[in-house]
Amino acid sequence: EAQVTQNPRYLITVTGKKLTVTCSQNMNHEYMSWYRQDPGLGLRQIYYSMNVEVTDKGDVPEGYKVSRKEKRNFPLILESPSPNQTSLYFCASRGLGGGETQYFGPGTRLLVL
Amino acid sequence: GENVEQHPSTLSVQEGDSAVIKCTYSDSASNYFPWYKQELGKRPQLIIDIRSNVGEKKDQRIAVTLNKTAKHFSLHITETQPEDSAVYFCAASIGTPLVFGKGTRLSVIA
Repeated sequence: EAQVTQNPRYLITVTGKKLTVTCSQNMNHEYMSWYRQDPGLGLRQIYYSMNVEVTDKGDVPEGYKVSRKEKRNFPLILESPSPNQTSLYFCASRGLGGGETQYFGPGTRLLVL
Repeated sequence: GENVEQHPSTLSVQEGDSAVIKCTYSDSASNYFPWYKQELGKRPQLIIDIRSNVGEKKDQRIAVTLNKTAKHFSLHITETQPEDSAVYFCAASIGTPLVFGKGTRLSVIA
């Protein structure tokens, strides 16, 4: 079954404690992306990757890091989380070619105290 | 870069009525326009998409229209049902990164 998976699904942490949210896809997609979703602000892109070892900033990259060492994985790293990073995070993947469907992971709800 | 505006932000309709959500985009080179539905607590899922070489596409009760000259596209849902209640996002792209609108919360009142 074609899918994007994320872990953990829910996370409560404290300010400054480094965390990683994993994302994996089994569709051999070149393109992967991270979004955060906050009430009234829609889906805002954090980082994206067009292929292995190629990453670019999205609209709200501050406070986040990513890596793309393998095609299927695209982890999101918060080196020093702050309360304003409390949000719902979605990973997504898509094949290159412009008209291909973008698939979203199930989401990770993060609370930073 | 591309910018997508979506209206209205909230929409309430009576069950059985039609709902229309409109989006405008800024970059005339955009060539792919998907619509996503997000139910409460779930991930966005593609419900319909249209490419720039097509003016209209239908899938049962939903349809999307595209006006390239005016740079806007719309989602039409006919005979709305309570299960249509969700947040709907439009998006546009030139190539790969999708640019999303801010979403429309649709409530279908039984």
